[in-house]
Amino acid sequence: DQQVKQNSPSLSVQEGRISILNCDYTNSMFDYFLWYKKYPAEGPTFLISISSIKDKNEDGRFTVFLNKSAKHLSLHIVPSQPGDSAVYFCAASAAGTYKYIFGTGTRLKVLA
Amino acid sequence: SQTIHQWPATLVQPVGSPLSLECTVEGTSNPNLYWYRQAAGRGLQLLFYSVGIGQISSEVPQNLSASRPQDRQFILSSKKLLLSDSGFYLCAWSVFLGRSPLHFGNGTRLTVT
Repeated sequence: DQQVKQNSPSLSVQEGRISILNCDYTNSMFDYFLWYKKYPAEGPTFLISISSIKDKNEDGRFTVFLNKSAKHLSLHIVPSQPGDSAVYFCAASAAGTYKYIFGTGTRLKVLA
Repeated sequence: SQTIHQWPATLVQPVGSPLSLECTVEGTSNPNLYWYRQAAGRGLQLLFYSVGIGQISSEVPQNLSASRPQDRQFILSSKKLLLSDSGFYLCAWSVFLGRSPLHFGNGTRLTVT
């Protein structure tokens, strides 16, 4: 049972445009959500997180939106840059638990 | 600042050989420590986590084991590797359970031949 799903395995976006990466979850106990960026042969790098008490969190070019009723979160990257080309993972956890559940990732390609 | 070191970066081992991967964290005390594996084309699978010295919890039954001999040291081991153990192994740490980001090492690419 996959509790965190990223249904788009890949996404291509033109440089300077917006990249939108989506993630769905099924477990209503999740209350903390994260996005990671991963280059080949490297560990994932933490990008941004959001708690369930918020519906939006911004950090520079990155914004995460959370829709609790739809159990959906998205990561917006504006403007997209070629260096953003990587695999992006969303993850979810519940307070006081050890488990961070990851999606299968979306490969973003930003075209120059 | 906190840093995490993981080694080796790559490893090629024959089936049936032992395994030892090591991870150390600097700049923080009593971190929660994790071992994840990423198989080809798949997401990150939690293998083990530890909230303190000598405290190990296993998520997936397999021929791997983990140990935490010191506060900031986490070791992944196997007595006899299987072909299916091939993958990208990642060590990570966090401050608060489920409430703070996981921070990952650079990973170990293990190929079992």
